[in-house]
Amino acid sequence: EVQLVESGGGLVRPGGSLRLSCVGSESNFNSYWMSWVRQAPGKEPEWVANIAHDGSDRNYLDSAKGRFTVSRDNAKNSVYLVMNSLRAGDTGIYYCTRDVWVGVIPGPHESWGQGTVVTVSS
Amino acid sequence: AVQLTQSPSSLSTPVGARVTLTCRAGQDIRSAVAWYQQRPGKVPDLLIYDASTLQSGVPSRFSGRGYGTEFTLTISSLQPEDVGTYYCQQFNNFPFTFGPGTKVDI
Repeated sequence: EVQLVESGGGLVRPGGSLRLSCVGSESNFNSYWMSWVRQAPGKEPEWVANIAHDGSDRNYLDSAKGRFTVSRDNAKNSVYLVMNSLRAGDTGIYYCTRDVWVGVIPGPHESWGQGTVVTVSS
Repeated sequence: AVQLTQSPSSLSTPVGARVTLTCRAGQDIRSAVAWYQQRPGKVPDLLIYDASTLQSGVPSRFSGRGYGTEFTLTISSLQPEDVGTYYCQQFNNFPFTFGPGTKVDI
């Protein structure tokens, strides 16, 4: 069973920055698209960004474009999310997820970490 | 962004009942729909993808169907462990979007 472990969340003031990290347990980590999905309290999940298995393609939620950057290091089985210019609306649990299938086309999220909490507040 | 609506927003049904949840998309998304179950205090679990493909390990009482703009998730015989909120998600267009959810109770 795939295990994903996130870290890096915390309390940050509006306008501040955070770097989230996610480490995966499987040996074929480099075969899958990876995503970050967040969930505000009492709300539905919200897809934030994803990155292709080899890092060659990245996509972002409109409100994240220009502020967030997703990257990965397959040698370390890790994916990252650097978040700048944080706003109150970015508050939530941030989950690292792995796609359900191997391949060049991104898809739904089969494996989820336990999440890391980001709170943006003054 | 593709908007998803779900109905009903909540329901309460006896154990053993057949339950059908609906997800509608604001535009044609072919069969690029997934369904997730989120039990209270837990992480979402993938149940179905490609509108009708059952994820490995998911009980066969769950089934999905639909194409284009209308999709359904059916639980053939509701069990106590099925309590939670069910979300649909489209992955045909970026940004991927989730529906607002249907809360299922017994």
